[in-house]
Amino acid sequence: SQQGEEDPQALSIQEGENATMNCSYKTSINNLQWYRQNSGRGLVHLILIRSNEREKHSGRLRVTLDTSKKSSSLLITASRAADTASYFCATADTGRRALTFGSGTRLQVQP
Amino acid sequence: DAGVIQSPRHEVTEMGQEVTLRCKPISGHDYLFWYRQTMMRGLELLIYFNNNVPIDDSGMPEDRFSAKMPNASFSTLKIQPSEPRDSAVYFCASSLGVRRNMNSPLHFGNGTRLTVT
Repeated sequence: SQQGEEDPQALSIQEGENATMNCSYKTSINNLQWYRQNSGRGLVHLILIRSNEREKHSGRLRVTLDTSKKSSSLLITASRAADTASYFCATADTGRRALTFGSGTRLQVQP
Repeated sequence: DAGVIQSPRHEVTEMGQEVTLRCKPISGHDYLFWYRQTMMRGLELLIYFNNNVPIDDSGMPEDRFSAKMPNASFSTLKIQPSEPRDSAVYFCASSLGVRRNMNSPLHFGNGTRLTVT
């Protein structure tokens, strides 16, 4: 079963705009991770946020985590055409080693 | 570092045939995961290993699926006999340990696209 569910399923924006994707999950977690997948390729890890953190930044990425609402958001600022990809959140139940991935958000950045 | 290497990149086979997918994890990584990706079901965990030992195979759909990790640098996922519903992209991923229940980031291969006709 899906642990994380992303919203929206698809997002189309213009280059330079910000893109926000949301993820909801169901159980207690130790951390939440975001991954990017370009067409025909494997997933690439972007950022990890621990359960005791509320916000984390990495370059143009900003991730928030609200454990009370069991939700997270990924913000990509000043988007570029190269950001076009699918984005997935991933979580693991407390004590479990394997990650469960959400259904993903397909981001299209128009040049 | 070459990353996680999977072979073949594409596999087309007929129903009933045996299929073997291969994976070479990143050197030094002690966790190896097999995932399957389809449009309908998304990314599903099939099985994962720690130090070459299978830990959780509850995601393996049927007895037709089997996975092995004979050593730290090689794993196989075998489907015998294959069926059209097995058509999917199969990913292998590896990671370096887990400390204090912290899940380390996964490093994915580029996958094997399997088509069973």
